[in-house]
Amino acid sequence: AQTVTQSQPEMSVQEAETVTLSCTYDTSESDYYLFWYKQPPSRQMILVIRQEAYKQQNATENRFSVNFQKAAKSFSLKISDSQLGDAAMYFCAFGGSQGNLIFGKGTKLSVKP
Amino acid sequence: GAGVSQSPSNKVTEKGKDVELRCDPISGHTALYWYRQRLGQGLEFLIYFQGNSAPDKSGLPSDRFSAERTGESVSTLTIQRTQQEDSAVYLCASSETVFLGTQYFGPGTRLLVL
Repeated sequence: AQTVTQSQPEMSVQEAETVTLSCTYDTSESDYYLFWYKQPPSRQMILVIRQEAYKQQNATENRFSVNFQKAAKSFSLKISDSQLGDAAMYFCAFGGSQGNLIFGKGTKLSVKP
Repeated sequence: GAGVSQSPSNKVTEKGKDVELRCDPISGHTALYWYRQRLGQGLEFLIYFQGNSAPDKSGLPSDRFSAERTGESVSTLTIQRTQQEDSAVYLCASSETVFLGTQYFGPGTRLLVL
């Protein structure tokens, strides 16, 4: 069975600085997607970024980028130039052949002004 | 276009009552998913639909939970004889395809069972 582990329950970053959130996963599948979702207090799950496992190039969306290490089964999220609006829970998720997403327990990110 | 919508936004009910939660997916999305999120926890998968069919119901916590989807559109999650442990946020998501599709989430329904 697939598992997703986020080892940092909480993280803090100074406004305008860079922070990296960690995620590891376990799977025997070769074709899958990985996602980072953001959940602010409004509880709406917002897609931040997506990475296809077959792509070697790391995905980037504006200030958000990932470091995808397929052999190590690692998928970290880097947030550059952190803004107050980035404060939220961040969930790493695995999507494979089973259809549903497998989520980690989340990392609570605080941004200090 | 419009995103995934859910209703009601909040629901307070008494233990033992039945509740229905509704999800309207993005138009044209074949796949629809239900998740449960207990306070301070990650998301727990409940069930998914491919069209109007639910191939795997093993994620439903008990036989008090059921779900249906009609017209490859709206879905209803029903919880019978609610218990206090059912209190959670119920999130719905939809995607163009079941496998390797990107899921877009609704705002959720917060259920409180007194």
